[in-house]
Amino acid sequence: DIQMTQSPSSLSASVGDRVTITCQASQDISNYLNWYQQKPGKAPKLLIYDASNLETGVPSRFSGSGSGTDFTFTISSLQPEDIATYYCQQYDKPPYTFGQGTKLEIK
Amino acid sequence: EVQLVESGGGLVQPGGSLRLSCAASGFTVSSNYMSWVRQAPGKGLEWVSVIYSGGSTYYADSVKGRFTISRDNSKNTLYLQMNSLRAEDTAVYYCAIKYRDWGQGTLVTVSS
Repeated sequence: DIQMTQSPSSLSASVGDRVTITCQASQDISNYLNWYQQKPGKAPKLLIYDASNLETGVPSRFSGSGSGTDFTFTISSLQPEDIATYYCQQYDKPPYTFGQGTKLEIK
Repeated sequence: EVQLVESGGGLVQPGGSLRLSCAASGFTVSSNYMSWVRQAPGKGLEWVSVIYSGGSTYYADSVKGRFTISRDNSKNTLYLQMNSLRAEDTAVYYCAIKYRDWGQGTLVTVSS
């Protein structure tokens, strides 16, 4: 199975900060990577698909990059409503594993 | 508008069975790949299973041989049959289409 290592597990930042989360796959997954945002008590929301494509309706301050085994998710200017937990997920080969999540808090 | 509504969760004893349903509207279940994802209390997301439009199915190692994903095209509904349930299966179970649209989740609690 493909393991997804996401870091950091938690992050505290100020409004307006640039925030970066990384995800590393245990083997080459090309660009078959999603990024999600999940707020407490809610279902996950797809933000980025195919590693770098912004889902329709998602603000442009969110972006993704990478291919192969190393991926990055960035929020260019953190907003209060971005407080959530973020997950990566590979969908190259089943089982389509998730990273362990990054809990983002406001400093 | 795409809508997914899960049902069937509840309290079940270890070793018991439950069948989760995910009623879909706004799209055709049989024409898309659909998945189940779960989240144990206070934990991260765990991928459970997928069914493709052609009927191929895949499972997480943790549920293989115990869970079965299926669909009823006439009812436009996705199912997850869960047998031999364990305490570690306790979670909110979400259905999703192409990981873009998700249901609200249904809680499964396995406890004596």
